[in-house]
Amino acid sequence: NAGVTQTPKFRILKIGQSMTLQCTQDMNHNYMYWYRQDPGMGLKLIYYSVGAGITDKGEVPNGYNVSRSTTEDFPLRLELAAPSQTSVYFCATRDQGASYEQYFGPGTRLTVT
Amino acid sequence: GESVGLHLPTLSVQEGDNSIINCAYSNSASDYFIWYKQESGKGPQFIIDIRSNMDKRQGQRVTVLLNKTVKHLSLQIAATQPGDSAVYFCAENPPSNDMRFGAGTRLTVKP
Repeated sequence: NAGVTQTPKFRILKIGQSMTLQCTQDMNHNYMYWYRQDPGMGLKLIYYSVGAGITDKGEVPNGYNVSRSTTEDFPLRLELAAPSQTSVYFCATRDQGASYEQYFGPGTRLTVT
Repeated sequence: GESVGLHLPTLSVQEGDNSIINCAYSNSASDYFIWYKQESGKGPQFIIDIRSNMDKRQGQRVTVLLNKTVKHLSLQIAATQPGDSAVYFCAENPPSNDMRFGAGTRLTVKP
């Protein structure tokens, strides 16, 4: 049981390049989330999904896109990378139930130069 | 807009002392709160949660207190250990599907 896995662990992009951050979970959780964490700051929600085929914007969705074709995968797409997107990206999941506890992946550190 | 915030960005305590980490929230409609611990280079980990119909909840060496009158949340760690050194986040659940996280407090435990 791997939990929540994210790839890659690190990535350096040039301005204007695109990439996809991968997130996979094996816990059969309905809810999945993408957060970004800037240095010394808290987590800001980018997008979330309550189930396969359903996605919604969070606090800071601009510059990102997501899809949720399966329960397991929730990729985050950056189309035109900008320096402001330099951050650590965390994927999280939670089960549909009484608890709102989220399970986080190890993160992807992205630098855009 | 309404947001979750913290009183202290850093906290340094002696090993064996008790630690208290504070959090202020401004959304009175939030009905659920979580404390997370984030160690360096890792994702946040759940510590303890509390619902708005409770004032206090205890776990193993940790206690969360909720004061809805002043919209204040605190995390108390008893007999703080070096392994408790981390950044601690509070998060609230406003009437939507997402949790809102505070900026975090860095706890350093001195041996």
